[in-house]
Amino acid sequence: SYELTQPPSLSVSPGQTASITCSGDKLGDKYASWYQQKPGQSPVLVVYQGTKRPSGIPERFSGSISGNTATLTISETQAMDEADYYCQAWDGKVFGGGTKLTVL
Amino acid sequence: EVQLVESGGGLVQPGGSLRLSCAASGFTFSSYWMSWVRQAPGKGLEWVANIKADESDKYYVGSVKGRFTISRDNAKNSLYLQMDSLRAEDTAVYYCARETSNSFGYWGQGTLVTVSS
Repeated sequence: SYELTQPPSLSVSPGQTASITCSGDKLGDKYASWYQQKPGQSPVLVVYQGTKRPSGIPERFSGSISGNTATLTISETQAMDEADYYCQAWDGKVFGGGTKLTVL
Repeated sequence: EVQLVESGGGLVQPGGSLRLSCAASGFTFSSYWMSWVRQAPGKGLEWVANIKADESDKYYVGSVKGRFTISRDNAKNSLYLQMDSLRAEDTAVYYCARETSNSFGYWGQGTLVTVSS
């Protein structure tokens, strides 16, 4: 079965850039998306089709994809960005295991 | 404003059944694929099933095939998930989600299903 691999955790200082990676076979061909989930809340789409940002999502969130790896980059990270982040491949609708982003 | 409101969760014994509902508003429900996604306590997200706008196609994750049935009523703007032969590992928050541009653009607040004796 298809698998996506994310680092379990990442820590970043406020104002710094956070980069969360997601790797999977031929992920570049599978329409990668990213979701933010804060404790006790539903997931929110922050990047779709690898690089596109939904309306209402701050410009500091961006996505890139190259070969087997998708990356979610959060520039000028804020305390409010602390959350779990999940990548997803649309082909098969598989989710990665999630990355807990800590801002401290 | 797009709204998805799930209901029907609760405590059920192993082997039992439950029917989840999702009431949609704020968009033309009959034009979109819809999905159910679940999240076990403290765990990650797992897609469960989806259904085409006109109900002509349905897909399931392997672990629920033959036990869960997804359906919709476009006249009532509602999505359903009939869950039979429930197991402890089906315990999760179940989210209703609208599919848009190869992603889940909108999510409901979720409904908790607990399978336990």
